[in-house]
Amino acid sequence: DTAVSQTPKYLVTQMGNDKSIKCEQNLGHDTMYWYKQDSKKFLKIMFSYNNKELIINETVPNRFSPKSPDKAHLNLHINSLELGDSAVYFCASSQEDVYLVSTEAFFGQGTRLTVV
Amino acid sequence: RKEVEQDPGPFNVPEGATVAFNCTYSNSASQSFFWYRQDCRKEPKLLMSVYSSGNEDGRFTAQLNRASQYISLLIRDSKLSDSATYLCVVNGLTGGGNKLTFGTGTQLKVEL
Repeated sequence: DTAVSQTPKYLVTQMGNDKSIKCEQNLGHDTMYWYKQDSKKFLKIMFSYNNKELIINETVPNRFSPKSPDKAHLNLHINSLELGDSAVYFCASSQEDVYLVSTEAFFGQGTRLTVV
Repeated sequence: RKEVEQDPGPFNVPEGATVAFNCTYSNSASQSFFWYRQDCRKEPKLLMSVYSSGNEDGRFTAQLNRASQYISLLIRDSKLSDSATYLCVVNGLTGGGNKLTFGTGTQLKVEL
């Protein structure tokens, strides 16, 4: 069974459209993340959720709206897609230790978004 | 200054070589440290955690110097299968949550 699964794997869409990427983890982790990896391969955190609550929002445009219906799911909805949104989006999850520090993060396989 | 800095490479080395990667981080309050490996068009995967006392896992040795805010990864007896991008990752508690910050990655190519 896949630990962190995200769908779709590939997404090609036109500018101006609205799209969603879904993510689910079956590891029982409390924290989930969305990362964006651009063409230069730099992985940048976008959002972090802990037990369905938004913890970190790294100045991402408000066209991006994460939603966490429960702690096993963190979906990403993107409105009015722009060319610059083309990237690989990774979902991840982790668990905190007794000091509330995250241990290993497990990543989904990524969603390659291409806006044309 | 970037939060986590790495030399992007590429490092092209012959099979059997020893190669070292370095990483510096800016937040002195960072809590935990990791090296991840990312293969082309794949997701990042944990290679090893980095402890203050230094730790070794087979051919891989990681070290942390908190005073200099510096992390290193040493790979001995390189294999072709070690070719990948190695990501330095620093975790710090911020705004009430954990934030895993990735370096830009160092690309390694091991050649025959």
